[in-house]
Amino acid sequence: GENVEQHPSTLSVQEGDSAVIKCTYSDSASNYFPWYKQELGKGPQLIIDIRSNVGEKKDQRIAVTLNKTAKHFSLHITETQPEDSAVYFCAANPPPNYGGSQGNLIFGKGTKLSVKP
Amino acid sequence: EPEVTQTPSHQVTQMGQEVILRCVPISNHLYFYWYRQILGQKVEFLVSFYNNEISEKSEIFDDQFSVERPDGSNFTLKIRSTKLEDSAMYFCASSEMVGPQPQHFGDGTRLSIL
Repeated sequence: GENVEQHPSTLSVQEGDSAVIKCTYSDSASNYFPWYKQELGKGPQLIIDIRSNVGEKKDQRIAVTLNKTAKHFSLHITETQPEDSAVYFCAANPPPNYGGSQGNLIFGKGTKLSVKP
Repeated sequence: EPEVTQTPSHQVTQMGQEVILRCVPISNHLYFYWYRQILGQKVEFLVSFYNNEISEKSEIFDDQFSVERPDGSNFTLKIRSTKLEDSAMYFCASSEMVGPQPQHFGDGTRLSIL
């Protein structure tokens, strides 16, 4: 089945710097890659996603890139702010098994981002 | 903005007891999910649900687990005979349409088994 690896596990940056989090996936049939931000005591919040027919997507300070050949995708946060501090999860959505019509999300282990003022 | 709501926020239960976790998905969403997150570990898929039946389930979702949509708004996860290793955060999620779509998560229920 699908396996998602995420690096680094922790990342500390100065306010205003950029942060990059990288993920690799194993199932070439995976076709949807969301990124979630999880703050303490909260559920994962979708911040950006990308589909396999797109190489890059940007939303203000956040961008995601996808390299299907290498099977990796990355989250880029520019001009980081203290409120960006959280745990970030990447995920991949492989095709469903057993005739199901909706695939599940396979998550990476998360990256704890700390933005220092 | 519409959101997924989960109750209770924290559930403490004796080992061997049954527990029901409740979720109200976003109202126009058609697909519902349960995930769990053991402390310090990744979020893991349990089950997806569509049109009043299970669409897909993981190997974690064994016979002690069941899901139900008892009415037009609630979506529940039942664990029949809880074990210590069931202690985790349980997240409900929903998505609007069929296929790979954004899944929106609730804030979870922390289940503690004593």
